[in-house]
Amino acid sequence: GDSVTQMEGPVTLSEEAFLTINCTYTATGYPSLFWYVQYPGEGLQLLLKATKADDKGSNKGFEATYRKETTSFHLEKGSVQVSDSAVYFCALSAPIFANAGGTSYGKLTFGQGTILTVHP
Amino acid sequence: EAQVTQNPRYLITVTGKKLTVTCSQNMNHEYMSWYRQDPGLGLRQIYYSMNVEVTDKGDVPEGYKVSRKEKRNFPLILESPSPNQTSLYFCASSFMTGHGYTFGSGTRLTVV
Repeated sequence: GDSVTQMEGPVTLSEEAFLTINCTYTATGYPSLFWYVQYPGEGLQLLLKATKADDKGSNKGFEATYRKETTSFHLEKGSVQVSDSAVYFCALSAPIFANAGGTSYGKLTFGQGTILTVHP
Repeated sequence: EAQVTQNPRYLITVTGKKLTVTCSQNMNHEYMSWYRQDPGLGLRQIYYSMNVEVTDKGDVPEGYKVSRKEKRNFPLILESPSPNQTSLYFCASSFMTGHGYTFGSGTRLTVV
């Protein structure tokens, strides 16, 4: 079945440090890939996404590139801030069924999450 | 504002007392799903629904029921809650694959 593996945390950085959170996946077909962020006490928010190989998703200074050859979608940010402290989830969605109109849907499969703490 | 609304946010209950967690979305999404989040396990799918009256099991459906009588609502029902169902629950909805999912704010359930 589909699976997502994230680097284990927690990750602790000083402000303005470079961030990388590794994510690799196993899936049949051609999944869409996502990074979600969960701030303390809140639900998950979509941070960025990529739907095909070599696509780069970006948002709020975060980037991730869909690498089909290495089945990876690593999250990076050049200079983290204290406000980036959160839990980050890598996820994939592989189309597994379609409705009569041809719209496809897929289950989201998540990694375990990586806790990021940024100190001033 | 486009959103997924869950209620309640927090719930403490006793073993065996039936409860329902409500979920409503205002985006006209066809696909809705329930997840539970547990430390070290990430998020696991409980049930999902492709449309009205169409539901199916996810990875951890035991002890849960769902219904989809209207497009906007997808309640999660625990007929006889047990302590191992203590968890953080999220409802999510989606337009289609590749568009990402919109999550509710979560329901923290404690079963004693």
